[in-house]
Amino acid sequence: DTGVSQNPRHKITKRGQNVTFRCDPISEHNRLYWYRQTLGQGPEFLTYFQNEAQLEKSRLLSDRFSAERPKGSFSTLEIQRTEQGDSAMYLCASSLDLTSARYNEQFFGPGTRLTVL
Amino acid sequence: GEDVEQSLFLSVREGDSSVINCTYTDSSSTYLYWYKQEPGAGLQLLTYIFSNMDMKQDQRLTVLLNKKDKHLSLRIADTQTGDSAIYFCAETRNDYKLSFGAGTTVTVRA
Repeated sequence: DTGVSQNPRHKITKRGQNVTFRCDPISEHNRLYWYRQTLGQGPEFLTYFQNEAQLEKSRLLSDRFSAERPKGSFSTLEIQRTEQGDSAMYLCASSLDLTSARYNEQFFGPGTRLTVL
Repeated sequence: GEDVEQSLFLSVREGDSSVINCTYTDSSSTYLYWYKQEPGAGLQLLTYIFSNMDMKQDQRLTVLLNKKDKHLSLRIADTQTGDSAIYFCAETRNDYKLSFGAGTTVTVRA
């Protein structure tokens, strides 16, 4: 396993279309995170999963956004009726939650760059 | 994020030391991190420090934490051209949500 992978790496779509991104975490990592990064800014937390359960969603995640992790392995992030303001880099990360340790390193994928025309 | 602030740009000569500064607002932050981002690559964790420490050294990297002033710094000794990148300061008060600064773009000139 070489790390967190994300597909596609780039997506160009027209306003109003739906898009779906996929993230494959590092094997055995039980936690998976989604972040969004706009130009000139740091990543912003969107949501995270512990196995297949989605435990927290940021207020940034509007009703048009939905994330799933059906079998506790890969995850998908879908954006419906895309808007130009959705243009950003969408980053996925994973970590191994060791309840005995307070520190869990998040490993990031290369991201999916979305451009909404 | 608005909870973490950093200067936007730093230019340094090859071989000199780089110092990147960061301030944060949440006194309940438990861990503070420095990430590196290069074009086309994901975020790479460089180092982290627990909030009850005031210094951590790892090869060319030195992290200093002033908890009273909520100030974090990263010093890179003997800066090389491969150190040119965007450096992000991040903090967490729990074990899942990272809050990042806007990033400092470091340019290393020959």
